[in-house]
Formats: sequence, C-alpha cells, structure tokens
Amino acid sequence: DAGVIQSPRHEVTEMGQEVTLRCKPISGHNSLFWYRQTMMRGLELLIYFNNNVPIDDSGMPEDRFSAKMPNASFSTLKIQPSEPRDSAVYFCASSQTRDRGPNQPQHFGDGTRLSIL
Amino acid sequence: RKEVEQDPGPFNVPEGATVAFNCTYSNSASQSFFWYRQDCRKEPKLLMSVYSSGNEDGRFTAQLNRASQYISLLIRDSKLSDSATYLCVVNNPGNTGKLIFGQGTTLQVKP
Repeated sequence: DAGVIQSPRHEVTEMGQEVTLRCKPISGHNSLFWYRQTMMRGLELLIYFNNNVPIDDSGMPEDRFSAKMPNASFSTLKIQPSEPRDSAVYFCASSQTRDRGPNQPQHFGDGTRLSIL
Repeated sequence: RKEVEQDPGPFNVPEGATVAFNCTYSNSASQSFFWYRQDCRKEPKLLMSVYSSGNEDGRFTAQLNRASQYISLLIRDSKLSDSATYLCVVNNPGNTGKLIFGQGTTLQVKP
C-alpha cells in the first residue's frame, strides 16, 4: 500500500524565493497534517485539514506560509518569500479521523528537507 | 507546563538491557495515546498504541496511568537496532484528529 507521498525530498533555494511543498495522503484518510521539525523546536504542527477544510492553522508561523488542500488526494504548503530560518524538515501526515471514538494514529511521509540559503 | 513532557535523555544502555521511558501529559481529558519511533533523518513511525489495560508487542510494553497522567514504554532485551528517538504522543481532546507530540527520548544501545 502506498503511504504518504511528499515531494520534493530535498529543496535548496535562495532566500526570497517561493517554495512549494507537496503531499499526497494515504487513500481513504480524511485528515492531513503539515509539521515542521528542527533540532531546536522539535516537531511542530503547522496546520491540519479535515475533509479538505483547514481546521487549525494556529501553528502557521506567519503570513509567508500558506497551505491548501484542493481535493482529498493533494495538499500544498507554500512559503513566499522564504527566509533562512525556514530551513527545516517538513513532514506531511494523514489519518482517518472519526467523529467519535479514539483518535487514530497519523502516518508520516518521508519529509522534505528544506534549506534556504 | 508542556502538554507532553519527556526526559530527552540520551539513555545509553548495553545490548540486552531493559530500559524504560516515562512521559507525562497535562490534559486529563486525553483519550488516545501512542508511542512513535524516529530514526535519525527519518520520519516518525508508529511503534504502538497505548491501551488503558496496558499492552505488549514483542519486547515492547506500554502502560498508561490515567490517575497520574503518565505513559511508559518498556523495552526488554534491547538491540542495537532499537537506537532511535521515542516520541510520546497524546491526543488533543479539544481538536478532533490533532495529536500532541513530545520532544522525544533518545536511546542509544551500545554493543
């Protein structure tokens, strides 16, 4: 079974450039999460979607960051303009969220290693 | 107080040792608990869910203490391949689907 698919795996770009990260969740999962991980701050939730609708974007650092989920099988995280402090590993995860009952675990993609020079 | 707290370690143990990690969580209404494993430069992967009665998966045993709001992970007969960071994960009761990840505990198993 295909897991969560992220692209690109690595991205190196100069500050000021626009960066777009892509994610395809596991088929049938209705929740999608974008995380950022650094040594200093650990794993931080940036935003998550349920049934393609953004539910909580309180973790989005600032207006330079935006995320979309146009359909159930695709999401993007965009940074414009990018800055060196945005350098991190960005993970996408998905899960099957139920209205009731225990939370289901999230399954992560391989991540995108982003370096802003 | 952090929502999920773990001792970052590192825990350095010899092969074959038994090692235990604890984790505390702040929201008594949390209902779902997990342990994830993260290898260096890799994504977090689900190790096991944690059930109220405690559960075991091979050499791994997870326990939940709701009264004290802590979760534990016990690894018996540790292997070199167990070296990784172990993340304690708890659901956020106010937000369906949202999970709170601890900072992780690093384990290094030495030959």
